[in-house]
Amino acid sequence: EIVMTQSPATLSVSPGERATLSCRASQSVSSNLAWYQQKPGQAPRLLISGASTRATGFPARFSGSGSGTEFTLTISSLQSEDFAVYYCQQYDKWPRTFGQGTKVEI
Amino acid sequence: EVQLIQSGTEVKKPGATVRISCNVSGYILSAYKIHWVQQAPGRRLVWLGLVDPDDGQTMYAEKFQGRVIITADTSSETAYLSLSSLTSEDTALYYCATDVYGSYMDVWGTGTAVIVSS
Repeated sequence: EIVMTQSPATLSVSPGERATLSCRASQSVSSNLAWYQQKPGQAPRLLISGASTRATGFPARFSGSGSGTEFTLTISSLQSEDFAVYYCQQYDKWPRTFGQGTKVEI
Repeated sequence: EVQLIQSGTEVKKPGATVRISCNVSGYILSAYKIHWVQQAPGRRLVWLGLVDPDDGQTMYAEKFQGRVIITADTSSETAYLSLSSLTSEDTALYYCATDVYGSYMDVWGTGTAVIVSS
């Protein structure tokens, strides 16, 4: 199965700063990569699909890029509501697999 | 608005079977596939499998083959996850999620906690 590896495990950022999260696949997944946001006590929520297409309800400060094996999620100017855990997931091959998550904290 | 409402917390003994439900609203169950995902404490999200409610076809993760059964009842707009031979390793939150395009998980359910303890 495809192993997804995220870095860093924890990212400490101040409000207003830029956050860059990485996700690497053990083999190419083309652009079949999604990002999810999960806040404490809540279910994950689709943030990005197709590596770069933002889901409904998320502002433009969230952007995704990459293809093949290397992907990046960028939050341009962190707001208080953005502090959460972010997961990447590949949907190129079965089984669907997730990264271990990056916690974005203050 | 698409919503997936899951059944409540389950406490089971080792070796038992748990059945979790996922009732959908805001769309017709048969329109989209349903995934099930496990989130155990301190561990990454793990995909268990999916069902196509339109024809009942299923696909399961190899790790759970033989222990997992996913079904869908279109008459009640509800999908189900059954997991048998439970161990403490199965203590986790379980989520259902829709899949509109046969790919990623668009909308997630409310989650169901399963606690396996003797």
